[in-house]
Amino acid sequence: GDSVTQMEGPVTLSEEAFLTINCTYTATGYPSLFWYVQYPGEGLQLLLKATKADDKGSNKGFEATYRKETTSFHLEKGSVQVSDSAVYFCALKDQGAQKLVFGQGTRLTINP
Amino acid sequence: EAQVTQNPRYLITVTGKKLTVTCSQNMNHEYMSWYRQDPGLGLRQIYYSMNVEVTDKGDVPEGYKVSRKEKRNFPLILESPSPNQTSLYFCASSLQGVGNSPLHFGNGTRLTVT
Repeated sequence: GDSVTQMEGPVTLSEEAFLTINCTYTATGYPSLFWYVQYPGEGLQLLLKATKADDKGSNKGFEATYRKETTSFHLEKGSVQVSDSAVYFCALKDQGAQKLVFGQGTRLTINP
Repeated sequence: EAQVTQNPRYLITVTGKKLTVTCSQNMNHEYMSWYRQDPGLGLRQIYYSMNVEVTDKGDVPEGYKVSRKEKRNFPLILESPSPNQTSLYFCASSLQGVGNSPLHFGNGTRLTVT
């Protein structure tokens, strides 16, 4: 079945550091890919998405490129801020499915 | 304000005592869904509903029931809770299905079953 694997956390960085959170997936069809962010005590919010190969999703300085050849959708940001501290989830939606399949989440902490 | 509202935020109960977690959205969304979040497992779908009176099982439906009598409400019912249902639960909605429009999540219900 479909699955998503994220890099193990937690990840701790200093402010203005470069961020990469790795995400790889397995899917039977041609999925859409998503990154969601969860701030403490809140529900998940959509951060960005990509619906086909080579698409780049971007939002709030975060980017991720849909790489079909490596089945990956790594999240990057050039200069993180303390306010980026949260849990990040990679997810996919396969064709015809009515659910998101989530990775296990990566907790990110940014120190000033 | 557009939102998905879950109640209660925290709930502690005992094995076998029936409970309901409510979920309501004010965005006229057709699609609603329940997920549970467990450490190391991410979120897994319990049930979903494409519209009023239409519900379907997700990946982990055992021990749960849902109903969709009105468009705005999608309660999650645990008829006889067990300790393995201790988890963080999220309700989510979207305008039309998953992926076509963004999923909006509630703030979660932390359930402990002793």
